[in-house]
This record gives sequence, structure tokens and C-alpha cells, in this order.
Amino acid sequence: DAKTTQPPSMDCAEGRAANLPCNHSTISGNEYVYWYRQIHSQGPQYIIHGLKNNETNEMASLIITEDRKSSTLILPHATLRDTAVYYCIVRAPGTLNSGYALNFGKGTSLLVTP
Amino acid sequence: AAGVIQSPRHLIKEKRETATLKCYPIPRHDTVYWYQQGPGQDPQFLISFYEKMQSDKGSIPDRFSAQQFSDYHSELNMSSLELGDSALYFCASSLLAGGYEQFFGPGTRLTVL
Repeated sequence: DAKTTQPPSMDCAEGRAANLPCNHSTISGNEYVYWYRQIHSQGPQYIIHGLKNNETNEMASLIITEDRKSSTLILPHATLRDTAVYYCIVRAPGTLNSGYALNFGKGTSLLVTP
Repeated sequence: AAGVIQSPRHLIKEKRETATLKCYPIPRHDTVYWYQQGPGQDPQFLISFYEKMQSDKGSIPDRFSAQQFSDYHSELNMSSLELGDSALYFCASSLLAGGYEQFFGPGTRLTVL
């Protein structure tokens, strides 16, 4: 799986948009970009994923650059409950025998302040 | 909605003892994953099962073993416990046909004294 690079920490004011960048310059054509987050000591939580098109769901938006070498997770109106570590994971679809595991690298610790 | 259930939530053991962690996946989910998260570290994949067969193996020590039973629940067995095994152990489940989303349980916090 391709390596990802994220800033170690970011701050965001409550109510503002939080934009979390991720670099994945070695991504392959069949690899997806996934975002998970982990609120302190809780189990990680799936947020969103995409291949090449921008994606949006009730939690966030995912913007992937045209060359797919980087992406940005956008939390449109951050709340205090969004304070968490955010992980950008690049992964191929996988097979039954391997490849469905998540490789959590060093994520971004997002602090949302009042 | 039903979530992944893990038991026990907390466990304290002595060095060289054994421990068994249990995971009950979301109903109808066919794949179970185990992850270990040491203090201040990121989750690390240990092992996974699809339809009761081991499907992938990560950095699981030889002292650990796991299996998935006919009712799809899974158990992680840990022997000869070491201080370094103190960690949060997460179980996740997914529906393989869905593939992309893993649902995580609340974790078991294991402390080895």
C-alpha cells in the first residue's frame, strides 16, 4: 500500500471548516483513499473513502487532486466532538487472502477549540 | 443499530499468564479483524478472519493465536504475557461484499503487571 504523509497536528475553531491534508504521491491506480478517525481511546471510526472523484457524505467531504497524489478531508462545520486523530489510509481493494487490513500510519491530531 | 461487542472491557494479568479476548461482530458481518494499540501509538493490525478462515496476518506475535467460530464470534488468545503486551485491543468487523468500511468495537484494555 502507498505511504501517506499527514501533518502531526492542526487546530480549528468551532463552527469553522477543518481541512485536513494528506499526501500520497506514490498511490497506484487501483488504490483507494480512506479516512478514519479515533476519538480518544475509542475504536476508530470510518469517515469516507474515494478513488478519484470527490465524495461527500453526512460527515465530511473528500477532495482528491486530479493526479491523485494528495487529498483533503473537509469537516464543513467542526464541533468540539470532532477533536480526534484523523488517519488517511491508502489501500488497494484487496483479496480474500490479504489486503483488507487497515494500515494506520501517523495521523493528524485535530483539536477543535471553542 | 447493533455494534461490535468486545469482552472484557478491562483485563489485568500478571506476566507469563494467559488472556482470552472475545469479539462479537455485527450480525451478518463475515469478516473480523484484530488490532493492537500500545500507549501513545497508532493501531497495528494483528490478524483477520473471513468466513471462519484466517484471511490475513499482520504483526501478531507467535505467543498469540486467534480463531473465528461457527457463530462468527472471534477470540484472541494470548499466552506468556509480557509487559509490552499492555495495550488496547480492538476488534472490527465488516461485510466483505461491502468491503470498505470496518466497524470497530470499544476495545479491551489489557494491563500486564
